Amino acid sequence: QSALTQPRSVSGSPGQSVTISCTGTSSDVGGYNYVSWYQQHPGKAPKLMIYDVSKRPSGVPDRFSGSKSGNTASLTISGLQAEDEADYYCCSYAGSYTFGVFGGGTKLTVL
Amino acid sequence: QVQLQESGPGLVKPSQTLSLTCTVSGGSISSGSYYWSWIRQPAGKGLEWIGRIYTSGSTNYNPSLKSRVTISVDTSKNQFSLKLSSVTAADTAVYYCARVLLPWYFDYWGQGTLVTVSS
Repeated sequence: QSALTQPRSVSGSPGQSVTISCTGTSSDVGGYNYVSWYQQHPGKAPKLMIYDVSKRPSGVPDRFSGSKSGNTASLTISGLQAEDEADYYCCSYAGSYTFGVFGGGTKLTVL
Repeated sequence: QVQLQESGPGLVKPSQTLSLTCTVSGGSISSGSYYWSWIRQPAGKGLEWIGRIYTSGSTNYNPSLKSRVTISVDTSKNQFSLKLSSVTAADTAVYYCARVLLPWYFDYWGQGTLVTVSS
């Protein structure tokens, strides 16, 4: 069982928006603004898409956005494209003992 | 452009020690304030952080694996390594090495290497 809870799957049609939630506790998501999101295509390494809750690394389209409220972080993908179909993982810093925890992953299907 | 490449045996027998090396290219492993980390992913499952090392040799480990994990660094070779002892079938996974952008982001990843624990 992963430390952070994500829905197993979400789906949307091209052009639509989808939101993936990531629920933790006050010891991780709620306690720090150090939430990140990773995109993973089959057989590939994960790719950093969002860090510091809502910042995008260079090269990541602005269709990807992040937010947080309390113990739940969210990743929103607007203007869905076929290439967005992938697994998405959230990750949060969890203090100087546990350090970091991942979510179980969400499979995004573009219909 | 920083690149990371994992290497090591793809098959390890139960109770033995899994050993992997990550070679960093495109920059010095000692430059900048970065940690270097190992992360694994069993087939069809999620990501699990194993541990990280700074080029000074300072390490942090996942509490659930701490008793079996050792991460070391060789700055002269631009490499860092993972040793996981007393492996079982539950340790079968794709193992990734990654650069850690402080405080806790993995911005560059290796391609991953599958390690199977089986007799």
